[in-house]
Amino acid sequence: DAGVIQSPRHEVTEMGQEVTLRCKPISGHNSLFWYRQTMMRGLELLIYFNNNVPIDDSGMPEDRFSAKMPNASFSTLKIQPSEPRDSAVYFCASSLRQGFQPQHFGDGTRLSIL
Amino acid sequence: AQTVTQSQPEMSVQEAETVTLSCTYDTSESDYYLFWYKQPPSRQMILVIRQEAYKQQNATENRFSVNFQKAAKSFSLKISDSQLGDAAMYFCAYRSASGAQKLVFGQGTRLTINP
Repeated sequence: DAGVIQSPRHEVTEMGQEVTLRCKPISGHNSLFWYRQTMMRGLELLIYFNNNVPIDDSGMPEDRFSAKMPNASFSTLKIQPSEPRDSAVYFCASSLRQGFQPQHFGDGTRLSIL
Repeated sequence: AQTVTQSQPEMSVQEAETVTLSCTYDTSESDYYLFWYKQPPSRQMILVIRQEAYKQQNATENRFSVNFQKAAKSFSLKISDSQLGDAAMYFCAYRSASGAQKLVFGQGTRLTINP
């Protein structure tokens, strides 16, 4: 079975540009999570969705960040305008919502803002 | 808010030996889940083992086992017969069973396997 698919795997762009990260969750999973990993702050949740509805976006750093889930098989995380401090690895994860279900992670997108 | 602490930034072990990674957490909840994830240099986040807080029996998965001490809020990972492929960052994570579904991660422990 296909796992969580993220694209692109690497992104290098200049400050001020718009960045869009994409995620396809595991088919049948009804919860989707976006995490960010940095050396300073470790792994932290940005936002998560249940049944395509955003539940908790308290981790989104500021208005420059936005996330959408238009359907059960696709989500985007957008940064506009990007800044050097946004450089990090961004992970998408999905799970079944019910009970004791683990989150399955994609391979992450390494984002570098110059 | 819940917090997870991994007090060992780095650990090393000889191949075929046993190593234990420490994790403590802070919560006021009585029901929750605990996880260990492995992150090799390839950057993937791979689930190693999981534990439900209401189960007293410690989880095991082949060479991996946990020592779950609920009263002490401790959740250590034991790796037996260490292999070179076990070299990675290991993250301990907490998830509420009734509230937020987000994982709260520790800072990680980098495990080196010496041949």
